[in-house]
Amino acid sequence: DARVTQTPRDKVTEMGQEVTMRCQPILGHNTVFWYRQTMMQGLELLAYFRNRAPLDDSGMPKDRFSAEMPDATLATLKIQPSEPRDSAVYFCASALGQMNTEAFFGQGTRLTVV
Amino acid sequence: RKEVEQDPGPFNVPEGATVAFNCTYSNSASQSFFWYRQDCRKEPKLLMSVYSSGNEDGRFTAQLNRASQYISLLIRDSKLSDSATYLCVVNMGYQLIWGAGTKLIIKP
Repeated sequence: DARVTQTPRDKVTEMGQEVTMRCQPILGHNTVFWYRQTMMQGLELLAYFRNRAPLDDSGMPKDRFSAEMPDATLATLKIQPSEPRDSAVYFCASALGQMNTEAFFGQGTRLTVV
Repeated sequence: RKEVEQDPGPFNVPEGATVAFNCTYSNSASQSFFWYRQDCRKEPKLLMSVYSSGNEDGRFTAQLNRASQYISLLIRDSKLSDSATYLCVVNMGYQLIWGAGTKLIIKP
């Protein structure tokens, strides 16, 4: 059963600490998305990659957030330094091909910054 | 104005009733449309794509009105298990734009 795997599932950290979230997309999927979801803002696109190349990261605060795909089986989202307002659920999703195909989501990382 | 708008609800509906949601979008160049379902504390999952001619999947019917720039989702004979948040998604070609979701609560 192919699925997107995210780690960790939950993370509590202190303000100022570095946080790294990892995502393993479905094998063969060449498009990877990072989303953030809060009660107030809903689902926000942070960044997305096609064939490991970043296509759009305009939704991401550049000063503290960074997203990379070191290889086709791993995507990372890093926050340094973390702030309480970063508390949210971070979802990774992958898709095959263009935007009109289904995006499969991981179970998310619930981040709490205290 | 948001690019994709949905009534946040919640819609409180008795079991067995029919319920409909609308979602409006601002960009007339939007190319494709989807409805996703998200259960509490879970990830979104695709419910159905929305085709120009309208499409049906069991109790669920999705329709697209390009002239008025909205899509709709109709749920017939609602079940308790239909309780969830329904997210409208619009493909602008360069990215997917998500609505904030409509919360549906089905009551026994």
